[in-house]
Amino acid sequence: NAGVTQTPKFRILKIGQSMTLQCTQDMNHNYMYWYRQDPGMGLKLIYYSVGAGITDKGEVPNGYNVSRSTTEDFPLRLELAAPSQTSVYFCASRGGGTTNTEAFFGQGTRLTVV
Amino acid sequence: AQSVAQPEDQVNVAEGNPLTVKCTYSVSGNPYLFWYVQYPNRGLQFLLKYITGDNLVKGSYGFEAEFNKSQTSFHLKKPSALVSDSALYFCAVRDWPGGQNFVFGPGTRLSVLP
Repeated sequence: NAGVTQTPKFRILKIGQSMTLQCTQDMNHNYMYWYRQDPGMGLKLIYYSVGAGITDKGEVPNGYNVSRSTTEDFPLRLELAAPSQTSVYFCASRGGGTTNTEAFFGQGTRLTVV
Repeated sequence: AQSVAQPEDQVNVAEGNPLTVKCTYSVSGNPYLFWYVQYPNRGLQFLLKYITGDNLVKGSYGFEAEFNKSQTSFHLKKPSALVSDSALYFCAVRDWPGGQNFVFGPGTRLSVLP
């Protein structure tokens, strides 16, 4: 089982550049999430999706965009990268109902903006 | 609004001794509670969860956690620590019913000393 797969694992961007972080899951999960992790700050929710075609903002959405055209894929777009977006980004997914309650995480993308 | 506190940034314990990593939470409804572990340069791995029922839940790698509704706590425990348990531990909560998203605590770094 691949689970949640994120690409790339590492990336260095220059200020003002754009990029897309890819996330795909093979568990047929409806819910998908993007978090960023900064040292000592835990995980902050950027965007989430409750199903294909439906996305919503989380706690820290500024500077990011998402789309969810399929159940499997949930890419995160960074427009006009800024040093404040230097972070580790995690994608996660979960199923629905009262049994599939926990989230499964990808391995992360470490992004540096210089 | 949901929130999670992990009052200790760092916990040090000798190998073979019992360990406790503390977590308190706040939700408006009923809590779904989770513990995750993160090893260096890796994603978060699910350890255990409390949804309903028995207040003592058992999870992976010999970890357990006790849900205490009156104290709004969900402390992670292990009877005998291993050096390999050294990692970053996150507590998370999801409000039920209706809560789509997870809120994570800031994390506690556990160091098990040989």
